[in-house]
Amino acid sequence: QVQLQESGPGLVNPSQTLSLTCAVSGASISTGGHYWSWIRQHPGKGLEWIGYIFYSGSTDYNPSLKSRVTISAATSKNQFSLKLTSVTAADTAVYYCARQVTASGRYFDLWGRGTLVTVSS
Amino acid sequence: QSVLTQPPSVSGAPGQRVTISCTGSSSNIGADFDVHWYQQLPGTAPKVLIYGNTNRPSGVPDRFSGSKSGTSASLAISGLQAEDEADYYCQSYDTSLSGWVFGGGTKLTVL
Repeated sequence: QVQLQESGPGLVNPSQTLSLTCAVSGASISTGGHYWSWIRQHPGKGLEWIGYIFYSGSTDYNPSLKSRVTISAATSKNQFSLKLTSVTAADTAVYYCARQVTASGRYFDLWGRGTLVTVSS
Repeated sequence: QSVLTQPPSVSGAPGQRVTISCTGSSSNIGADFDVHWYQQLPGTAPKVLIYGNTNRPSGVPDRFSGSKSGTSASLAISGLQAEDEADYYCQSYDTSLSGWVFGGGTKLTVL
């Protein structure tokens, strides 16, 4: 059974860097077949795709966040991470890691439980 | 404002059938990109209900069905049950935004 689990600080100061990690169990992020993604949800709002990393190390980001986002992988730990720089209150959201299939139109078939990150001093 | 437009809310009585629309444009649904649907129960992560416009993952009841035509897609839920009360989101790809996009979400209330 594949599971994803987000971890990281729940509170980040404005202008600092938000850092989250997604631990994957039951599947290897080093094999093809899936994109390992981050998605966020502002309080009471809809879903926003942040970006993904593929097993090859290639990445793709939401153009609206691209200048501030880095997604990387630690294959030895079977984890992937999100860094979002220069955060503001507008970055307060629940952050989900998710697995996106490579076929069938690229849907997100598995999600972590999500972690709330609040940007505030 | 999402490029995929959903009604903010829909409602129906137990046993009834409801549909949720997802209206896009020529840069997403109309460009032949697949549409997927997710159900988000209160306080939980989204879960895929329909993928590839019409396909149900194993474990999803056949009360849920999806369709797509032109620049729009729809999710139909028949035989409404109290447990269906949730937020529903459509998802596709948009060439103008160069990324994966979600609809604004629709809150389903079972009366």
